[in-house]
Amino acid sequence: QVTLRESGPALVKPTQTLTLTCTFSGFSLNTSGMCVSWIRQPPGKALEWLARIDWDDDKYYSTSLMTRLTISKDTSKNQVVLTMTNMDPVDTGTYYCARIRAAAGASSDSWGQGTLVTVSS
Amino acid sequence: DIQMTQSPSSLSASVGDRVTITCRASQSVTSYSNWYQQKPGKAPKLLIYAASSLQSGVPSRFSGSGSGTDFTLTISSLQPEDFATYYCQQSYSPPYTFGQGTKLEIK
Repeated sequence: QVTLRESGPALVKPTQTLTLTCTFSGFSLNTSGMCVSWIRQPPGKALEWLARIDWDDDKYYSTSLMTRLTISKDTSKNQVVLTMTNMDPVDTGTYYCARIRAAAGASSDSWGQGTLVTVSS
Repeated sequence: DIQMTQSPSSLSASVGDRVTITCRASQSVTSYSNWYQQKPGKAPKLLIYAASSLQSGVPSRFSGSGSGTDFTLTISSLQPEDFATYYCQQSYSPPYTFGQGTKLEIK
């Protein structure tokens, strides 16, 4: 059974750096074709894709946010970490991590429950 | 970036209705199009991947079609549990952009 769980601070101040951790089980990021992505959703708004990291450590980022994002993995701990610098109130929302399988059209077939991050002073 | 445009943005329908939601990509994504269902307060759930492949465990009343730039999600006979928001996504080229969503409401 594949599971993912996001963890991190619920509240950050403007200009601070957000660090989120995705802890997963049921698959390995050492396996060819496996990837993990981060997606966010402001309250009442649409999904926004943020970043992806692959089994071979290739990384991809949102064009508009790439200067603020860093994604990394620790395969020994089954974790993927996303950092976002210079947080702003518009970054408030629920942040999800999800597994991507290249064999399934690079779709996100398993998601964490999400973690709500509020940016406020 | 590839833009994904969904229509309609909202839709009212009744139990038993056949419903179609469309998604248009700003350039060809071949068959790399996916559909997700999201209920309030919950994570999205994958319904259809690679344009027309039904994700395991998803009822057969859901189907997808299309290729290139135009894609369709069809629900053949709406059930009460299908009232939710639906998103398309392209996974052809990162960043893997989503459509703006279609909210399906009870008439």
